Amino acid sequence: QMQLVQSGAELRKPGASVKLSCKASGSAFTNYYMHWVRQAPGQGLEWMGIINPSGSTTSYSQKFQGRVTMTRDTSTLYMDLDSLGSDDTAVYYCASGFYYFDFWGQGTLITVSS
Amino acid sequence: EIVLTQSPGTLSLSPGERATLSCRASQSVGSNFVAWYQQKPGQAPRLVLYSTFKRATGIPDRFSGSGSGTDFTLTISRLESEDFAVYYCQQNGNLPRTFGHGTKVEIK
Repeated sequence: QMQLVQSGAELRKPGASVKLSCKASGSAFTNYYMHWVRQAPGQGLEWMGIINPSGSTTSYSQKFQGRVTMTRDTSTLYMDLDSLGSDDTAVYYCASGFYYFDFWGQGTLITVSS
Repeated sequence: EIVLTQSPGTLSLSPGERATLSCRASQSVGSNFVAWYQQKPGQAPRLVLYSTFKRATGIPDRFSGSGSGTDFTLTISRLESEDFAVYYCQQNGNLPRTFGHGTKVEIK
């Protein structure tokens, strides 16, 4: 079993950046592929990207290419998201697994507003 | 990118009834690569089924899955109160991973 605990809610102005974290415990984090998934208010799930267990390889949704960076260390997953717009207001989830996502963080609300 | 279309958008049923949720892919997806998630308000999604029909840990056997190619189904044989939620299908055989827009199973 893996527990994923995400950082707290953030408020940002348009054009700003945000860095989210997702700390793992209870299982061998360094063996897992990790993902970020977001959910805008009242909307569905949107996959953002994947990072391999060593952190050496990432693949991002074309929608976020150029403004998202996923990194990790031995226990924590990170995501930097730049050039925020109001449509980036959403709950951001980290999730583990290569194919299916068996463990999820609790989510971090990012609000982008002037 | 593989687009997943879920139907219906909302399913209004009573406890004890059978729920059948559909997920159609824009191109063929290997049967090992379809998963279903349950999400309740204010909660993170929870894995229900993977590889089309395999139940995740702790998922009761009233949940079942089937399908191949482009058409996949999640069936809940007899709805219990805790099953009312939104369900998302996902394809995980290709990048980008994609989700359907969800089916809300609500109490009639």
